[in-house]
Amino acid sequence: GQQLNQSPQSMFIQEGEDVSMNCTSSSIFNTWLWYKQDPGEGPVLLIALYKAGELTSNGRLTAQFGITRKDSFLNISASIPSDVGIYFCAGQYLNYGGSQGNLIFGKGTKLSVKP
Amino acid sequence: DVKVTQSSRYLVKRTGEKVFLECVQDMDHENMFWYRQDPGLGLRLIYFSYDVKMKEKGDIPEGYSVSREKKERFSLILESASTNQTSMYLCASSDPGPLSEQYFGPGTRLTVT
Repeated sequence: GQQLNQSPQSMFIQEGEDVSMNCTSSSIFNTWLWYKQDPGEGPVLLIALYKAGELTSNGRLTAQFGITRKDSFLNISASIPSDVGIYFCAGQYLNYGGSQGNLIFGKGTKLSVKP
Repeated sequence: DVKVTQSSRYLVKRTGEKVFLECVQDMDHENMFWYRQDPGLGLRLIYFSYDVKMKEKGDIPEGYSVSREKKERFSLILESASTNQTSMYLCASSDPGPLSEQYFGPGTRLTVT
């Protein structure tokens, strides 16, 4: 089946640092989504991207839909302690005929605070 | 705001028990999904439904069944719970169509002993 490679798997941040993570795929997607999950909670949608090359911001978060449609990145600027959690990318393809395919999830990037 | 609720946050069941996990969404979404989430494996799709009384197998349907009698409610059933079904279960819903984001519930942490 289709797979997404998300990196890094984990990272430690110091307050104020910028953070970057990305997802790559061997397949073309029509939609890229970025979610954040706090411990014990369900994923919450952060940003949705629908067009190749699209760059979208949500506060301190910026995400881009790669030109090749096989990758996406998420940047967090000036990180704060509440940014800790697990960030997931998800790609969605269209089936032949244009119906919605299922979401394919990356395995997540765990953001922790440097001790 | 989209709201997806799940009947329990934490559940402990014994091996062999029949387990029902309930999910309700209030946004009139046509699509509903059940995932399980395990460390190192990410989110894996168990079953999904694009309409009332309609269901499709996801990537890991074995040991599970689902029921969608009403548009807003999607139930996941473990016919005979086993210890390898200990996991976090997440329900999601979305509108149909190609540009459609999935919204998740808070999850049910199921432990089978």
